[in-house]
Amino acid sequence: EVQLVESGGGLVQPGGSLRLSCAASGFTFSSYWMTWVRQAPGKGLEWVADIKQDGSETYYVDSVKGRFTISRDDAKNSLYLQMDSLRAEDSAVYYCAREDLVWGSYRKFDYWGQGALVTVSS
Amino acid sequence: AIRMTQSPSSFSASTGDRVTITCRASQGITSFLGWYQQKPGKAPKLLIYGTSTLQSGVPSRFSGSGSGTDFTLTISSLQSEDFATYYCQQYYSYPLTFGGGTKVEIK
Repeated sequence: EVQLVESGGGLVQPGGSLRLSCAASGFTFSSYWMTWVRQAPGKGLEWVADIKQDGSETYYVDSVKGRFTISRDDAKNSLYLQMDSLRAEDSAVYYCAREDLVWGSYRKFDYWGQGALVTVSS
Repeated sequence: AIRMTQSPSSFSASTGDRVTITCRASQGITSFLGWYQQKPGKAPKLLIYGTSTLQSGVPSRFSGSGSGTDFTLTISSLQSEDFATYYCQQYYSYPLTFGGGTKVEIK
């Protein structure tokens, strides 16, 4: 059974840092792209970043470029999101998801974690 | 960034109704579109990818169509468990973007 479990969320002051982790199990982690999606309270979904199988490619939404870093450790079956210079508008539930590339083109976020709440406030 | 616009943003329907949700992209995305369902307090669930391919385990009452800039998600006969918020997502180009969501409520 595929499982994704996020951890590391919490309350942080504006300008502070936080690192989210996502522990994966039930599939060959090293074979998949992985992604982070966030959802501010009462708002819609926003894609944040993703990373290729070998970590050679990473992509970010403009609003987090230069502040957030996505990384992975295939030996530990873990995905990370280092969040620096946090702002109030970064407050959200952060989901990690497995990103499957079907037929080399069609991306699908087919398994999701339960989410980790990040609150940026003084 | 490609902007995804869903309509309506919310509506009420009854069990058994046929419902259609529309998603429009600000530029052509060929068929690189997916649909997700989210219930309150839960993670999103993938319904459809590649515009019309049903994810494994998703009931056949869900279907998707469209190409280019205009897409639809149809539920042929609404069931009680389908009351939720639905999101479209494009993956034609980065940044990947979601629509604003369509909330389907019980009439």
